[in-house]
Amino acid sequence: SYELTQPLSVSVALGQTARITCGGNNIGGKNVHWYQQKPGQAPVLVIYRDNKRPSGIPERFSGSNSGNTATLTISRAQAGDEADYYCQLWDSSTVIFGGGTKLTVL
Amino acid sequence: EVQLLESGGGLVQPGGSLRLSCAASGFSFSSYAMSWVRQAPGKGLEWVSAISASGGTTYYADSVKGRFTISRDISKNTLFLQMNSLRAEDTAVYYCAKVLGYSYYDFDQWGQGTLVTVSS
Repeated sequence: SYELTQPLSVSVALGQTARITCGGNNIGGKNVHWYQQKPGQAPVLVIYRDNKRPSGIPERFSGSNSGNTATLTISRAQAGDEADYYCQLWDSSTVIFGGGTKLTVL
Repeated sequence: EVQLLESGGGLVQPGGSLRLSCAASGFSFSSYAMSWVRQAPGKGLEWVSAISASGGTTYYADSVKGRFTISRDISKNTLFLQMNSLRAEDTAVYYCAKVLGYSYYDFDQWGQGTLVTVSS
């Protein structure tokens, strides 16, 4: 079955750019979605279909997808961006989530 | 405003059954596929099941296939998850989620979740 690989943790200095990767075999040929989850809260969709941003999500959040890696980029990182981030896609009638990445803003 | 409100969670013994409900409001429930996603304590997100807008097509994760059944009542704007033969590893917060695009299964709205604990 298809697998998505994320780093366990990523750190970024306040105001700098964070990049969270999601690896998968030829993931560039698929549609990838990204969720933010803060402690005790439900996930929130921040990027869908590789690079689309839902209403209400800041422009600081962007996505890209090519080859074997999809990337969530958070520009000008804020303390409020500290959270777990999950990538996800739909493949062979199955929803697949990555293992999640904990983003720490220093 | 879209609202998804889960209920039905609780403590159940191994081998027991539980039925979760998700009451939907603020959107045309009959027009969107829906899904259940769970999260074990301290763990990541795990997809459980999904159902098409009409209810005619269902999908399941291998880990629950044959034990869980997803359904929906369009007249009541409610999504269900019937869980049988429960195991300790089914312990998790269960979220219902609205699917934005049927071909993509991207989840644009989530409920707050209901906790299911399977323990003797």
